[in-house]
Amino acid sequence: QIQLVQSGTEVKRPGASVRVSCKASGYTFTTYGISWVRQAPGQGLEWMAWMSANNHNTNYAQNLQGRVTLTTDTSTSTAYLELRNLKSDDTAVYYCARDPSLVAPGNWFDPWGQGTLVTVSS
Amino acid sequence: DILMTQSPSSLSASVGDRVTITCRASQSIRKDLNWYQQKPGKAPKLLIYAASSLQSGVPSRFSGSGSGTDFTLTIRSLQPEDFATYYCQQSYSTPPVTFGGGTKVEIK
Repeated sequence: QIQLVQSGTEVKRPGASVRVSCKASGYTFTTYGISWVRQAPGQGLEWMAWMSANNHNTNYAQNLQGRVTLTTDTSTSTAYLELRNLKSDDTAVYYCARDPSLVAPGNWFDPWGQGTLVTVSS
Repeated sequence: DILMTQSPSSLSASVGDRVTITCRASQSIRKDLNWYQQKPGKAPKLLIYAASSLQSGVPSRFSGSGSGTDFTLTIRSLQPEDFATYYCQQSYSTPPVTFGGGTKVEIK
């Protein structure tokens, strides 16, 4: 079955960086995009970024520009999110999701990874 | 950016009730509107895409309608497993992808 499996819980200090992985299986990785969405505790969903797994084009949310980078390893069908200069309000569950579009972020997201909790605390 | 506004933010309902959740876009988004269900501690799950298309495997008691700026998610006969938070998401003008604030459906 189509599945996205993410890496485990992270605890980081303010100013540090975190890298979250998302391993895809059950479909041809390079025929879809991957979007990343985060959810702060008790809050709604916030789209962060998108990458085409085909040509590696990216789009980032404006409020995260300069702190976030998406990469992929097509040999292992794995997508990565790196977030730098972490702040306390980056504490959230981070989700990857398969995105049908290879051109721009959006369409719909299905399926989603199980989520990775990132806690930023001194 | 397109602002998505859901109403109500929460509701209480009983098993068997018909439930309607509304999502309004700040500008026309044609039918580029998707709905998700999220249960506590779990990832969101796609229910409806392109305003009214039911995702494979989703029970037929869920339906979506609307176009332009006003959209509706209807649960025809609420079941115990439907108590969750529901989000709308526009895919008309991206980036950024934007979500509604969510509607929590609770047991009355």
